[in-house]
Amino acid sequence: EIVMTQSPDTLSVSPGERATLSCRASQSVVTNLAWYQQKPGQAPRLLIYRASTRATGIPARFSGSGSGTEFTLTISSLQSEDFAIYYCQQYDNWPPSWTFGQGTKVEV
Amino acid sequence: QVQLQESGPGLVRPSQTLSLTCSVSGGSISRESFYWSWIRQHPERGLEWIGYIYYTGNTYYNPSLRSRVAMSVDTSKNQFSLNLTSVTAADTAVYYCAREWEGTRAFDPWGRGTLVTVSS
Repeated sequence: EIVMTQSPDTLSVSPGERATLSCRASQSVVTNLAWYQQKPGQAPRLLIYRASTRATGIPARFSGSGSGTEFTLTISSLQSEDFAIYYCQQYDNWPPSWTFGQGTKVEV
Repeated sequence: QVQLQESGPGLVRPSQTLSLTCSVSGGSISRESFYWSWIRQHPERGLEWIGYIYYTGNTYYNPSLRSRVAMSVDTSKNQFSLNLTSVTAADTAVYYCAREWEGTRAFDPWGRGTLVTVSS
């Protein structure tokens, strides 16, 4: 099983600042990497897929990069609504499997 | 737009079977290239993919749960279901249904989730 490790566990930032979140895979996932945002009491929301493609309706301040085993989610200028937990998720082609990182909490 | 909604008991006794249904609205569950998954979220252990079903009935399950999981699809009702047998307290979690498209290999949208507690 491919293990996803996110860092840091908690990121303290101020509104308007840049936030950089990291995700590492235990083996190469090429660009089969997605990012989600989850707020309390809500389901995760897809932000980025294929490592760098924004999902429909996602603001341009969210960007993803990386390939292989190292990935980054950047929020260029944090808005109040961006304080949440962020998860990365990988897809492995065969056998098909999806695994998630443990999450990074972005807090004020 | 496609919406998903989970339904089922919120309390299941240990050793019994957890049964949930996901109702899909705003689009057909029979559309090709879309796969329908169950995912659960433990308070302390994060998100865990349980398995998927295709509209044809083809399934694939997480090997860690394979011996206890069964999924089914009812295209006439635009629904798919999850059965998890021999549950224990470790199966207590919020259960989500979600759609995955082979073009993204990611889950979107998700249902709102339903908390299932395993307790006597």
